[in-house]
Order: sequence, then C-alpha cells, then structure tokens
Amino acid sequence: AQKITQTQPGMFVQEKEAVTLDCTYDTSDPSYGLFWYKQPSSGEMIFLIYQGSYDQQNATEGRYSLNFQKARKSANLVISASQLGDSAMYFCAMRGMNTGNQFYFGTGTSLTVIP
Amino acid sequence: EAQVTQNPRYLITVTGKKLTVTCSQNMNHEYMSWYRQDPGLGLRQIYYSMNVEVTDKGDVPEGYKVSRKEKRNFPLILESPSPNQTSLYFCASSYGASYNEQFFGPGTRLTVL
Repeated sequence: AQKITQTQPGMFVQEKEAVTLDCTYDTSDPSYGLFWYKQPSSGEMIFLIYQGSYDQQNATEGRYSLNFQKARKSANLVISASQLGDSAMYFCAMRGMNTGNQFYFGTGTSLTVIP
Repeated sequence: EAQVTQNPRYLITVTGKKLTVTCSQNMNHEYMSWYRQDPGLGLRQIYYSMNVEVTDKGDVPEGYKVSRKEKRNFPLILESPSPNQTSLYFCASSYGASYNEQFFGPGTRLTVL
C-alpha cells in the first residue's frame, strides 16, 4: 500500500528562522517521486520541490530544500529564513512509477510564521 | 498563458441533480487528474488519465465519472450528487508518465444540499 504521513497538523515558526516540515512515506514501488506543494489561504496549489527516489543529492529550490532519507522513508521539507508569506498549508505527495501513476497526498501541515 | 481552468468555480446544488465540472489545460499534457480536498484528509485522487481514452480509478472514485475524449479536456461528472460529495475539487495536469510536477486548476467548491 502507498501512503504519505504528515504528523504535524500545525507548526509555528518565528520570521527569519528555519523550519522543518515532516513527511514519511510507505511504498513498495522501487521507483517513485516525492513532491511538496504549498496551499496559501487563497486556495491554489503551488509546486515547491521534487525529489526522485534515485537522486543522489537532496533537492533544493531557493529557500526550500528536501531532506531525503531513503532508508527511513522520510522526505522532510526545510524552509530557511521564513517569511510571513510562507504561512500556508503544506502537502507532501508521492507518485510511483509502477503503481499505476497514482498520486498520494498527506493530510498537510499548517505553517504559521510569527512576526 | 499556460494554465488549467475549471468551471464552475463555485456550485451549490441539490441531491440527485446531475452536474459536470469541466477541466481544460492548454499545455498539451498527457496526464490529467481529479482530486477532492476535505478538511483533515488532504487531497485524495478520484480519477486520473494517462492519455486520450485512458482513465483509471484513484482512491475515491465512487459516485464520480470521467471521460477523456480530447487531450485538453477532462470533465468530472457527478450523476447523482449526494451531500457527502460536498468538497473542494481540483483538476491537475502534467507531462507523461514521469516525475513531473502537476499544474493545478484554481479549484471548484461544490456544495450538495
């Protein structure tokens, strides 16, 4: 069975500090991709970062980095130098190559950046 | 502008009245998908399509139908809506069977009374 678990329903971080949002996954597929999306209060889904299961290095995109630990099946999102505009829901997602190309999303983490 | 469009954005209807939510993308994407978002449950995939005339069930397909007659369009059909289908619906698209990001539509908020 494929599953994404986000255990932090809500998180707070001080502006300019770094924050880590946790994501663990379960899959029997040897080849898969991991994604993080941001959903601000306006409702749209914004792609942030992607990590492939065979990528040797952790993905980075600006202030976002993905801490990929394959043996632990974790794909945590690290946001450095938090900004007020980072306040949003964050979703971790997975897509497997051999599991019918279904996408699986976690339940999300609500991040609030405190000035 | 590259985008995924959905219509309507908001819809209030009554139980049993058939409805269709349209989804269209202008990026020539092969993969299209429908999700519903409910509080505390995240996004759950309803149906997806790898290409024209190819559709597959996601995690929560019951009560929904889809079709993919053209590459750009992927309508979601609720033949007999029920109150438990009240939700926020997203259409998304991406390039083929690889690990590309999905582009999401703006969402359709559906209320079934």
